[in-house]
Amino acid sequence: AQSVTQLDSHVSVSEGTPVLLRCNYSSSYSPSLFWYVQHPNKGLQLLLKYTSAATLVKGINGFEAEFKKSETSFHLTKPSAHMSDAAEYFCVVRDHSWGSQGNLIFGKGTKLSVKP
Amino acid sequence: DVKVTQSSRYLVKRTGEKVFLECVQDMDHENMFWYRQDPGLGLRLIYFSYDVKMKEKGDIPEGYSVSREKKERFSLILESASTNQTSMYLCASSLAGVGETQYFGPGTRLLVL
Repeated sequence: AQSVTQLDSHVSVSEGTPVLLRCNYSSSYSPSLFWYVQHPNKGLQLLLKYTSAATLVKGINGFEAEFKKSETSFHLTKPSAHMSDAAEYFCVVRDHSWGSQGNLIFGKGTKLSVKP
Repeated sequence: DVKVTQSSRYLVKRTGEKVFLECVQDMDHENMFWYRQDPGLGLRLIYFSYDVKMKEKGDIPEGYSVSREKKERFSLILESASTNQTSMYLCASSLAGVGETQYFGPGTRLLVL
């Protein structure tokens, strides 16, 4: 079975410092992995996705994630946090198991706070 | 621009009421999805649809039903609302195909008293 684990429920950083949001996945197949962001009172927006091309994936708003098969990780990073990055972030894996129809499996989310 | 709209941002209903949540997308997407989002649990799939009049159960379909009479509209129905259905409900849509990106609506926050 496929799953994702977000290792931190809350992360707090100061504006201008790096952001690291950690995600580990479990998959019997070559995974498709995503990061979505949800700003307060808004729907989810796709930040980036990995689908077996380049292992370093660049997304919107300066975010990127690196797929590391040996560590089963897909951590999200940004060199310098901005106040507008404060949101909840979801790591997601696509379910490729037989009969799943490719539905998404969401992590429990990491809330990012950015201090001035 | 991609757009998924949900009929209400906030709803307050009483236990036992029948509740309709509506979702409309204007992108001619084949696939539509209903999720509920609860703190500390992430998003969980309730139902999805790959075509008009088609529906498939997700991970937590109990207490819910859906309707898709037109391609652009996907309705979630709570036949008899209960307090444990108080939650944020998110609708999404995507093109056909396993690898397509899902686009989300803003959500409906439902409170069942």
